[in-house]
Amino acid sequence: DADVTQTPRNRITKTGKRIMLECSQTKGHDRMYWYRQDPGLGLRLIYYSFDVKDINKGEISDGYSVSRQAQAKFSLSLESAIPNQTALYFCATSAELAGGHSTDTQYFGPGTRLTVL
Amino acid sequence: GDSVTQMEGPVTLSEEAFLTINCTYTATGYPSLFWYVQYPGEGLQLLLKATKADDKGSNKGFEATYRKETTSFHLEKGSVQVSDSAVYFCALSDRVRGSTLGRLYFGRGTQLTVWP
Repeated sequence: DADVTQTPRNRITKTGKRIMLECSQTKGHDRMYWYRQDPGLGLRLIYYSFDVKDINKGEISDGYSVSRQAQAKFSLSLESAIPNQTALYFCATSAELAGGHSTDTQYFGPGTRLTVL
Repeated sequence: GDSVTQMEGPVTLSEEAFLTINCTYTATGYPSLFWYVQYPGEGLQLLLKATKADDKGSNKGFEATYRKETTSFHLEKGSVQVSDSAVYFCALSDRVRGSTLGRLYFGRGTQLTVWP
């Protein structure tokens, strides 16, 4: 079984709809991240969370919100989807070592392809 | 701010050809550097990494050396295979006073296609 799972894998929705993308992990990592990938732009960080009570905005958080329901679950919401949010969304995790140092390596889920019409 | 500039693709090679994908970075601290690979329809996987100057990361025949003097982390492989066809991303992880904050900054990705 995959260590980082994302649901749904594909979603088509209409402008103005509320959408939630979910991420679960069995790696036991404290740190979780949401990225979006657009052709020719690489990946950009939307939000990240270092533990259940610590959530931070990334480069492109406008139009998105997140919820860290548990150590293993991190959800991304689009409150009112718009067409330019059409993209591939990735969740990732990383471990935190003693002293607050990350291992650096992030582990990615398979992605959710979102299309907003 | 921190950023990564990566060679634009697509790159098309014949099997057994030599591969170089250029990557340069801008960072205020002492970042860790990474190459991730994305195979069709999949998420990103770590290919290799280097955490300090002059370190060489290697995996599956790929290599990259952390060059602080040229702020570069070029990816190389001596003989590519069809199975290496994928998108390759250079990335850096910001670091302040030795403690990694954990955010990754990615390049735009380079599509590699290898023909038999």
